Amino acid sequence: DIQMTQSPSSLSASVGDRVTITCRASRTIINYLNWYQQKPGKAPNLLIHAGSTLQNGVPSRFSGSGSGTNFTLTISSLQPEDFATYSCQQSYYTPFTFGPGTKVDI
Amino acid sequence: QVQLVESGGGLVKPGGSLRLSCAASGFTFSDYYMSWIRQAPGKGLEWLSYLNGGGGTKYYADSVKGRFTISRDNARNSLFLEMHSLRADDTAVYFCARAPLRLGAYSFDTWGQGTLVTVSS
Repeated sequence: DIQMTQSPSSLSASVGDRVTITCRASRTIINYLNWYQQKPGKAPNLLIHAGSTLQNGVPSRFSGSGSGTNFTLTISSLQPEDFATYSCQQSYYTPFTFGPGTKVDI
Repeated sequence: QVQLVESGGGLVKPGGSLRLSCAASGFTFSDYYMSWIRQAPGKGLEWLSYLNGGGGTKYYADSVKGRFTISRDNARNSLFLEMHSLRADDTAVYFCARAPLRLGAYSFDTWGQGTLVTVSS
């Protein structure tokens, strides 16, 4: 199975900060990488699919980049509603696997 | 609007069985792969299974293979997960999710609210 790792596991940031989260796959997954945001007690929300394509309705301050094994989610200017946990997920191999998540708090 | 609503969770004893349902609305259900994904308390997301639109292609994670069965009824716009031989480590919130194929890859673009399954004596 493809193992997904994320760094950092948590971070503290302030409103207006630029935030970068890294996701690594144990083997190349081309660009078959998705990013999700999840708030406590809620279902995940798709932010980015296919590595860098912004999901409809997601603010443009979110962006994704990378290919192969290394990927990045960037929030250009953190907003109060962005404090949440962010998870990556690969869809190149089954079983589809998720990263462990990065918690972004104040 | 596009919506998924899970039901069927609850408390079950180890070794017991449970059937989860996911009611879909707002889209042509039979056009989409669907998946079940779970999240144990305080843990990350774990993908469990997918099923294609026609119901003939399915895949399971090793952790549930042979114990869980995914199925669908396109006439009723419903997805199901039959769970048997439940263990304590199956305790989790179970989500159903829609998996469109875009740019050659799958993602989970719509999720239900989740249903809690607790396996305990």
